[in-house]
Amino acid sequence: SAVISQKPSRDICQRGTSLTIQCQVDSQVTMMFWYRQQPGQSLTLIATANQGSEATYESGFVIDKFPISRPNLTFSTLTVSNMSPEDSSIYLCSVDPDGSYNEQFFGPGTRLTVL
Amino acid sequence: RKEVEQDPGPFNVPEGATVAFNCTYSNSASQSFFWYRQDCRKEPKLLMSVYSSGNEDGRFTAQLNRASQYISLLIRDSKLSDSATYLCVVNVGNEKLTFGTGTRLTIIP
Repeated sequence: SAVISQKPSRDICQRGTSLTIQCQVDSQVTMMFWYRQQPGQSLTLIATANQGSEATYESGFVIDKFPISRPNLTFSTLTVSNMSPEDSSIYLCSVDPDGSYNEQFFGPGTRLTVL
Repeated sequence: RKEVEQDPGPFNVPEGATVAFNCTYSNSASQSFFWYRQDCRKEPKLLMSVYSSGNEDGRFTAQLNRASQYISLLIRDSKLSDSATYLCVVNVGNEKLTFGTGTRLTIIP
């Protein structure tokens, strides 16, 4: 298993600004992911955060809007850039500790509201 | 068609009753199947994996029907603590999990 923390837990931001969300894991993991969960919707994968290389983005998500850092095997950040109200959502990081593409453990999420 | 489809509910069920919900998936190449549970304002957590032969964990039974491309979750003797959203999750073998929108369950005292 893995214990994951995220900061901040919530934030209210003005449109046009950027917010960086941090994700810290209590053990070294290869596979780390960022998801978005909009109100009443399911989780949508934004990108896979790769240590030592650029993140791999899913269709509909681009690096300029959601830059991701992965400096080591226990930490990653997701930035939501030039925010608009449509970016209001819960952002979650998750890890796949054994690389089996089966069970993922999720952080508690960051609840973002953009005014 | 969505990759993973679930009835969003809500299912309002009296305590002690049995409840079942299904989930359908569109990609016949899907390899792994799971049920996750998400409590209100919390992160999703794995409830159980779903195996081809079906599997049971206490009051919970999960089944897979590959021919019809659906999986099911049965909860017997439901408890108040079972109230949550149940997410159907599928891995098509491309290193990613695809989540359904979830089925909301409320157990009524």
